[in-house]
Amino acid sequence: GAVVSQHPSWVICKSGTSVKIECRSLDFQATTMFWYRQFPKQSLMLMATSNEGSKATYEQGVEKDKFLINHASLTLSTLTVTSAHPEDSSFYICSASAGGLYTEAFFGQGTRLTVV
Amino acid sequence: KNQVEQSPQSLIILEGKNCTLQCNYTVSPFSNLRWYKQDTGRGPVSLTIMTFSENTKSNGRYTATLDADTKQSSLHITASQLSDSASYICVVSARDDYKLSFGAGTTVTVRA
Repeated sequence: GAVVSQHPSWVICKSGTSVKIECRSLDFQATTMFWYRQFPKQSLMLMATSNEGSKATYEQGVEKDKFLINHASLTLSTLTVTSAHPEDSSFYICSASAGGLYTEAFFGQGTRLTVV
Repeated sequence: KNQVEQSPQSLIILEGKNCTLQCNYTVSPFSNLRWYKQDTGRGPVSLTIMTFSENTKSNGRYTATLDADTKQSSLHITASQLSDSASYICVVSARDDYKLSFGAGTTVTVRA
């Protein structure tokens, strides 16, 4: 149990275009989902926290208009990188929790975004 | 400053040998400490979770220890296999704070 799936696993896009990454909880209802970004050889950095049906809470320094997060259902959250630039190239990982903020969250397999 | 420091940054071991990874943290008040294995290009997978009262926990060939007084943890890998090659991440959570503190990870390379 506790399977979280991300799609796509990797994506290459042109600078200026938008990319959508999906995060699904396959066998449980995720009331809370977290989005992280990870640069090579660095820690996971929390970008935002989203609760189903409400607006996401963004961490300081993360542009909410650039990284659009939608958590419209209990099994799906999406992260859209708008007007992507090469510096947005990174590994994006989501995690999902069934019991809210303080319950263990399970990680997806990550999405490698390359902006050319 | 990162509240979770891991050492070494990387290590190379021969297949079948043992190794120990270290994690020091300053997160307070402490809730729990987790070790994750992250294969290249994949998401982290949980190995162990320990609360304040737990000193050691095993998961197959992985054994984690915790000293909450000195705020140190270790992850011991026994009889390493090629598939153990990955990054091992120490993650600490504080009471009343849902945000996790991640270490930068130790990259383990197991060679035949």
